[in-house]
Amino acid sequence: DQQVKQNSPSLSVQEGRISILNCDYTNSMFDYFLWYKKYPAEGPTFLISISSIKDKNEDGRFTVFLNKSAKHLSLHIVPSQPGDSAVYFCAASAFSRGGSNYKLTFGKGTLLTVNP
Amino acid sequence: EAGVAQSPRYKIIEKRQSVAFWCNPISGHATLYWYQQILGQGPKLLIQFQNNGVVDDSQLPKDRFSAERLKGVDSTLKIQPAKLEDSAVYLCASSSSFTGTLYGYTFGSGTRLTVV
Repeated sequence: DQQVKQNSPSLSVQEGRISILNCDYTNSMFDYFLWYKKYPAEGPTFLISISSIKDKNEDGRFTVFLNKSAKHLSLHIVPSQPGDSAVYFCAASAFSRGGSNYKLTFGKGTLLTVNP
Repeated sequence: EAGVAQSPRYKIIEKRQSVAFWCNPISGHATLYWYQQILGQGPKLLIQFQNNGVVDDSQLPKDRFSAERLKGVDSTLKIQPAKLEDSAVYLCASSSSFTGTLYGYTFGSGTRLTVV
């Protein structure tokens, strides 16, 4: 039962253009969402997050959009840079419910390649 | 601050052998997690500790996997006996409290296990 889905295994964009990574979830109890970035041979690193009480959160070149009714979120990177090439994981938790629900459930990841 | 330390970085063993992984979290972080990441999939939580107590081990295959966190600091994850399907990267992460979920965990670089 895959509760967090990233249906695009890979995405290739040109440097300077926008990268849009998508994520869908099925568990309506999820109320906190995060994006992680992972380079080869390294652990995932936190990128940006959003609470379900918001529909947008922005941090520099990175913006996350949340559509609760569609159970869908997306990460926009503008402008994309070659250094952004990595695997991006979407993750979710039922944060407000506390206890073991704080745990993060991850999607399978999307490999982003930004071409110079 | 120093990051999450894991060792070894790589391990190759034959099936039915045993193996142990070690994790040293960020100093002062009360919550520690072990995740398993199989190639092409997202990280899956195996076990979550709060200090030296287990919060969630619902996805830990307890017939072969065990974990402990003595004195609420370092942690060890053991597999005995190993199966081919245990080949994966084992990631340790820590956070200062349950609310570390808000800003994401800090992951170590992981241990890549190959079972042959």
